[in-house]
Amino acid sequence: DAGVTQSPTHLIKTRGQQVTLRCSPKSGHDTVSWYQQALGQGPQFIFQYYEEEERQRGNFPDRFSGHQFPNYSSELNVNALLLGDSALYLCASARTGAHGYTFGSGTRLTVV
Amino acid sequence: EDQVTQSPEALRLQEGESSSLNCSYTVSGLRGLFWYRQDPGKGPEFLFTLYSAGEEKEKERLKATLTKKESFLHITAPKPEDSATYLCAVQAEGNKLVFGAGTILRVKS
Repeated sequence: DAGVTQSPTHLIKTRGQQVTLRCSPKSGHDTVSWYQQALGQGPQFIFQYYEEEERQRGNFPDRFSGHQFPNYSSELNVNALLLGDSALYLCASARTGAHGYTFGSGTRLTVV
Repeated sequence: EDQVTQSPEALRLQEGESSSLNCSYTVSGLRGLFWYRQDPGKGPEFLFTLYSAGEEKEKERLKATLTKKESFLHITAPKPEDSATYLCAVQAEGNKLVFGAGTILRVKS
């Protein structure tokens, strides 16, 4: 049983560019959340998607946007990249009504 | 504002030397407290969920406990393979998790 799958695993972008990260949730899960983890810090909540809509959002600017598809997979888009956006981006999935989230291995984004 | 504080920031133990990690939290309406293990360059791996004060859960050398203000992760007779960052998170309003900064554990043989 595949867990949460994220792609790509590593990415290097130039300041000002745009990036799209992808996530396939664990089988049976329909809710997807995205987190940003800076080096030496705990993950910070970006937003959560359920039924193809953004349901909850953390303190991140509008440069961060997302999408959920009918098959429950999700994308995280970041526009106008800043050096400070360099981090490990984690996707977590869950089954609605159940407690507990399964995390993917993340995408390491480096902005130069 | 929901907040999670973990201590110590780093902990070095000798193999077999038991210890505890602390997670203090303030949250409006706790829906669950989670412990995760994270290895370098990997995503967090689920360990435990605790829901109410007085609850305890065990898995191998790990035992998690919960009070109204804090949680402890007790590590009994640790081995080098227990070396990792241990993250504590609370599930607050909605479904988001609020994480602490983590405790980096190093166990030397």
